[in-house]
Amino acid sequence: NAGVTQTPKFRVLKTGQSMTLLCAQDMNHEYMYWYRQDPGMGLRLIHYSVGEGTTAKGEVPDGYNVSRLKKQNFLLGLESAAPSQTSVYFCASSYSRSGTGGGGYTFGSGTRLTVV
Amino acid sequence: ELKVEQNPLFLSMQEGKNYTIYCNYSTTSDRLYWYRQDPGKSLESLFVLLSNGAVKQEGRLMASLDTKARLSTLHITAAVHDLSATYFCAVDPPSGTYKYIFGTGTRLKVLA
Repeated sequence: NAGVTQTPKFRVLKTGQSMTLLCAQDMNHEYMYWYRQDPGMGLRLIHYSVGEGTTAKGEVPDGYNVSRLKKQNFLLGLESAAPSQTSVYFCASSYSRSGTGGGGYTFGSGTRLTVV
Repeated sequence: ELKVEQNPLFLSMQEGKNYTIYCNYSTTSDRLYWYRQDPGKSLESLFVLLSNGAVKQEGRLMASLDTKARLSTLHITAAVHDLSATYFCAVDPPSGTYKYIFGTGTRLKVLA
């Protein structure tokens, strides 16, 4: 039971570099989310998807792009990394709206990104 | 805009003591979730509260929901060191949205 798998787990980028974070789930979940976690600020939603081929902006979308070409994968891209994007990134998925009916979200293990 | 506030933000307590963490939210919702996060780890689902008056218990933790007061509590009974973690509540906003809002978390440290 893999659940939600995030890659990579750690990454250090230089300012201006680009990268893609991959989230893969094997639970046939419709909904997928990308959050960032910063000290003292809880989790903030970056982008989310309600199904294959769809994406939408969350609370803090600037500087990020996403794609959901396949139902099981949700990619988060940073086109030109900035130090303000240093954070821990979590992917999550759920069966239905806001994770209802199944115990809420299932989270990946996180990606710790440092931009220098 | 839905806001979710937890208090306290930090809690240091002795083993064997009881305490309550509070989660207040600003708009109508009848769904609330509690998560646990250990340092450097992901978030683990603890409780799903789906209606007013819902109460769930697991071991030394008990969660309740009062939708009229827009308040959820996470009560810790006879704390043990293994409960040391950060606890988050998350609220499901009104219908029409697809994501829920997290509180800032309560960092709990249980001292032996």
